[in-house]
Amino acid sequence: GAGVSQSPSNKVTEKGKDVELRCDPISGHTALYWYRQSLGQGLEFLIYFQGNSAPDKSGLPSDRFSAERTGGSVSTLTIQRTQQEDSAVYLCASSSRMIEQFFGPGTRLTVL
Amino acid sequence: GNSVTQMEGPVTLSEEAFLTINCTYTATGYPSLFWYVQYPGEGLQLLLKATKADDKGSNKGFEATYRKETTSFHLEKGSVQVSDSAVYFCALLRYGNNRLAFGKGNQVVVIP
Repeated sequence: GAGVSQSPSNKVTEKGKDVELRCDPISGHTALYWYRQSLGQGLEFLIYFQGNSAPDKSGLPSDRFSAERTGGSVSTLTIQRTQQEDSAVYLCASSSRMIEQFFGPGTRLTVL
Repeated sequence: GNSVTQMEGPVTLSEEAFLTINCTYTATGYPSLFWYVQYPGEGLQLLLKATKADDKGSNKGFEATYRKETTSFHLEKGSVQVSDSAVYFCALLRYGNNRLAFGKGNQVVVIP
């Protein structure tokens, strides 16, 4: 079946603009995760959803970052007033059994 | 807290050589351990996993054994191919937790 998909694959924006990143998990996976991959920080956890609720938001780096999930499926990560340090690859993963996480191809965000 | 340490620096080796990438971890309890691989331009793929001490994960000729006494999960392959060129990440998931903790990753370059 289809894997995790993310859109857009690349996003270039200007400092101060808002961006939305989308994740479509594997059908039937109840858990969804967002991670960020950057040269300086490696792979960092951002937020975890179980169904539509987010019991763990502790990885979000600032209040400019928010995420939601609707219908137990699609998730959107929103970054407001983007800064250059937000430039990274944003990865989404989903899981059905809370052990194996399956990753999407990522969205490369560049803030100019 | 939970953390994963991978050996520093890229790894360059010739085709058919033996590959070892070291991974050690710090965690409370008994985490599950993973190796993920990221091929150029692609997302993270689960390579292998082990969920309890002394388990050996294996896939595509790669192996890693969960060593509780040395808190290690070293990745090995007996004869690498050019197609194994990728970045390899060691990761752990603590039981009852929901976030993967990743090592910094190792770039592996296999020369024909």
